[in-house]
Formats: sequence, C-alpha cells, structure tokens
Amino acid sequence: KQEVTQIPAALSVPEGENLVLNCSFTDSAIYNLQWFRQDPGKGLTSLLLIQSSQREQTSGRLNASLDKSSGRSTLYIAASQPGDSATYLCAVRRGTSYDKVIFGPGTSLSVIP
Amino acid sequence: SQTIHQWPATLVQPVGSPLSLECTVEGTSNPNLYWYRQAAGRGLQLLFYSVGIGQISSEVPQNLSASRPQDRQFILSSKKLLLSDSGFYLCAWRVGNTIYFGEGSWLTVV
Repeated sequence: KQEVTQIPAALSVPEGENLVLNCSFTDSAIYNLQWFRQDPGKGLTSLLLIQSSQREQTSGRLNASLDKSSGRSTLYIAASQPGDSATYLCAVRRGTSYDKVIFGPGTSLSVIP
Repeated sequence: SQTIHQWPATLVQPVGSPLSLECTVEGTSNPNLYWYRQAAGRGLQLLFYSVGIGQISSEVPQNLSASRPQDRQFILSSKKLLLSDSGFYLCAWRVGNTIYFGEGSWLTVV
C-alpha cells in the first residue's frame, strides 16, 4: 500500500530565504509525482509534475526533484516571498491503468515579511 | 478551455439529513473524475474515482456514495449525514498526466 508523508508539517521562514520541502513515498513504483499549492479554504493548484523517468522539473523560483529509488521528492523554493505562504502537497500516481492519486498530508508554509 | 465547477461552495447540514455535492467539467470528454475529502489539519483522502459513465470505484467504506450520470458530471451523496462527514470536499479531474481541482465545498454537519 502506497503511503505518502511530508516533513515538516509546518514551516515558518523569513522573506528571502531559500527553503526545501520534503515528500516521501513507500512504493517506488510510481508513474509520476505532482506538487500542489493550496491556499486556505481553496482548491489545489498544480505547481510541477515529474514523470517517473525524470529527475527534476523547474518553474520560475520552484524546482522539484525526484529520486524514485529512495522514495523521495523535494520542492525547492528560491528567494521566498510572503505570497508563497500556503500549504504544499505532493501526490503520487501509481500507474497508467491504476488511476489512484495518493496525497501527502501537506506542509504549511508561512513566509514572514 | 477546460474548466471544472463544483457546488455548493459551503453548506451546513444537520445530522441525519441528505447530501448532494455536484461537480461538472467543461471542455473535455471522458475525463477521469475524483472526489477527495480533506478533514481539518489532515491530508487529502481519496473517496471515489470514476473512469467513465456509471463506473465508480470506492476507496474507503463510509457513509457516502457517488454517481456519474453523465460523462462530465460527478455527484457525491449521502442519505444520512454523520458528524464525522464534516470537511472540505474536492472534486478533481485528470487531463493526461496532470490532475486539476475544483474550488471545493465546505461541509459542516451540526
């Protein structure tokens, strides 16, 4: 059974700091991994998608890496801004014919001005 | 363009009352659709997913049911709500390799 965890559960950093969010999964047989952002009381917005054959993806100040063998992914946020404050969730999809997408519990990020 | 609509946005229901949350998508055909629940301070729990009309897979035993009467419509229902059904419910759909979410529905059972 696939389990997804995220550490830390909450993080508070001063504006401008670079930070790393961690995501771990127990079954390395994944199809892809996706990082999402959730603002309070809102739906989820997709940030980055990494296919199982890829090592990393970048979008602006965000960089996500994937190490399938160790069951880990990281989301790196450069030069953090107060607008980055949100909950960040990672999700793994197991396979093309197996349509479950399993989410981690999320990391709540607060960037202090 | 492809969009997803989910309603109602918030509702307060008494214990034992019925529930119906509706989700529709536009701009695509035969999408894979999902219902997730997010309890306070917890992650997203997959409740149901559907790969086509009338095809529903349930992930956890619970007080809820789902139906897909049309290709782009996904409904989450309950005949009698429990206090433990309170939470934030999210409809989602998959386009290729990416999953997209609706704005969510806040349910408070009192």
